[in-house]
Amino acid sequence: GAGVSQTPSNKVTEKGKYVELRCDPISGHTALYWYRQSLGQGPEFLIYFQGTGAADDSGLPNDRFFAVRPEGSVSTLKIQRTERGDSAVYLCASSLAGELAIGTDTQYFGPGTRLTVL
Amino acid sequence: DAKTTQPNSMESNEEEPVHLPCNHSTISGTDYIHWYRQLPSQGPEYVIHGLTSNVNNRMASLAIAEDRKSSTLILHRATLRDAAVYYCILRDTQGGSEKLVFGKGMKLTVNP
Repeated sequence: GAGVSQTPSNKVTEKGKYVELRCDPISGHTALYWYRQSLGQGPEFLIYFQGTGAADDSGLPNDRFFAVRPEGSVSTLKIQRTERGDSAVYLCASSLAGELAIGTDTQYFGPGTRLTVL
Repeated sequence: DAKTTQPNSMESNEEEPVHLPCNHSTISGTDYIHWYRQLPSQGPEYVIHGLTSNVNNRMASLAIAEDRKSSTLILHRATLRDAAVYYCILRDTQGGSEKLVFGKGMKLTVNP
């Protein structure tokens, strides 16, 4: 079946611009996660949605970062006033039950969006 | 979140078994041990997880020490496709966030 898809696969923008990154989770998955990965590092958690609500946004680095999931399916990560330090691969993952599985749920990752801020 | 420690890298030969170690001396009784791997230019993928007993699936086996302070991911016959960064992650089952806390992982090189 279809996995997690992310668009665009690559995004190049200029410092100060606004960007939106989209994630289409696996159909029926209630939980959705955003991570970002810098070169040579493991993925770093940003935000977790259970349904439409952000259950944990403790990883968002500052108020320039915002994410929504209005209908409990597709999610958009929004970055305002981009900075060169925002350059990274942004990964989205989804899982079937999230917190209902109490730490055992498998997360399925998309291929990521590579963001480059010039 | 309790932390894990892995070697930075390991090498193995194709078609030979490979044992990937992970230390987690501060693990709590409610932490599950999860393994994910990340192939080049791809998102991470789930490999296996366990709590106390050894686990087997089609991808790998997970051997968990009796005191749970360490575990070993076993690939029974390494293939070139197993070359990846492997992450050992602890997940709290007691009301903690569902986030995965990745370290730097361990890079596995498989030689033909």
